[in-house]
Amino acid sequence: KQEVTQIPAALSVPEGENLVLNCSFTDSAIYNLQWFRQDPGKGLTSLLLIQSSQREQTSGRLNASLDKSSGRSTLYIAASQPGDSATYLCAVNNNNDMRFGAGTRLTVKP
Amino acid sequence: DAGVIQSPRHEVTEMGQEVTLRCKPISGHNSLFWYRQTMMRGLELLIYFNNNVPIDDSGMPEDRFSAKMPNASFSTLKIQPSEPRDSAVYFCASSSYTGFALHFGNGTRLTVT
Repeated sequence: KQEVTQIPAALSVPEGENLVLNCSFTDSAIYNLQWFRQDPGKGLTSLLLIQSSQREQTSGRLNASLDKSSGRSTLYIAASQPGDSATYLCAVNNNNDMRFGAGTRLTVKP
Repeated sequence: DAGVIQSPRHEVTEMGQEVTLRCKPISGHNSLFWYRQTMMRGLELLIYFNNNVPIDDSGMPEDRFSAKMPNASFSTLKIQPSEPRDSAVYFCASSSYTGFALHFGNGTRLTVT
């Protein structure tokens, strides 16, 4: 059974800093990996989807990388803003069996 | 597109009552997922459907839980009888095909007293 781990569990940074969130998984036979953002009391918003054949995806200030062989993905956020404060979750897809990490709660202080 | 639509947004019920949660996936999506989120256990996959057919229900916690997808535009998750430990946020999500992005609804917050 796929296990997904996210480190750190919580992170607090001053506005403007670049930061990296980590996601690791135990079974490398994945279809894809997806990063989500969740605001308090809300649903999950998809940020980036990386297919198993890809190494990275970029959207604005966000860059996600995937190293399938080592079972790792990172989400890089450049020039962080207070509006980036949220919980970030990664989800790993093994043939439509999507497993989520526990998330990293990010706080960006003005 | 309106996105994945779930109803109700909030449900408060007494222990022993039947609860029905509803989901309308994004039009054209052929995979539908039900998740439960709690502080203790995070997001758990309960069941998913491909083309209205249940594929994996191994995450359904007990026989008190059942899910149906009578057509491509509607699914229900039923709990009968409900118990306080079922209190959680239940999310529905859909995708257009295996390997494509998953889109979530806003969830139903269930409280069983």
